[in-house]
Amino acid sequence: DTGVSQDPRHKITKRGQNVTFRCDPISEHNRLYWYRQTLGQGPEFLTYFQNEAQLEKSRLLSDRFSAERPKGSFSTLEIQRTEQGDSAMYLCASSLREGRQETQYFGPGTRLLVL
Amino acid sequence: GESVGLHLPTLSVQEGDNSIINCAYSNSASDYFIWYKQESGKGPQFIIDIRSNMDKRQGQRVTVLLNKTVKHLSLQIAATQPGDSAVYFCAERLTGGGNKLTFGTGTQLKVEL
Repeated sequence: DTGVSQDPRHKITKRGQNVTFRCDPISEHNRLYWYRQTLGQGPEFLTYFQNEAQLEKSRLLSDRFSAERPKGSFSTLEIQRTEQGDSAMYLCASSLREGRQETQYFGPGTRLLVL
Repeated sequence: GESVGLHLPTLSVQEGDNSIINCAYSNSASDYFIWYKQESGKGPQFIIDIRSNMDKRQGQRVTVLLNKTVKHLSLQIAATQPGDSAVYFCAERLTGGGNKLTFGTGTQLKVEL
């Protein structure tokens, strides 16, 4: 399968714990995005990378959240001191910057439940 | 069957009928629009996209229509099949707003046999 992959698919944690999610984009894609989706809502943008550079961060990305893409390939999203409000589906997408019409392809998501 | 987007989040159609899912987008400066399909427990799946310099684009069994005057986007699915049952989201990209997508709330499409 050459699509976007995410690991783990599900994570249950206790409030106050740290969690880290991984995203592997489609291999030739130079842009990688993180979104968060709560039940019944559309995905909300968190941040994106072009190669290893983090180009934009949403105000939703509090200082407890950090994302990295150290070698311009896979990315990690870490949430420190998790809160119950962090419970959501965390989606990763990737795209190839090629002109102005740039389709983002999504992975299956990591569903986080904070108890 | 036809939905009115945010005011009617569920659309039920009979198998074989055509479906129309509507979306009112928010920003007249958006230059690119995408429709995604999301099945339960899965990530959004790309269906079709359209740039703001077009008003219609067709794919396999799907057509997207864009009316910039009233900031309205619609997705037409021909001969709806049970496998089309899912939540459908429209998304817009703001010109000069980086490459992030802003998603609508979504419409649940239910196909009845």
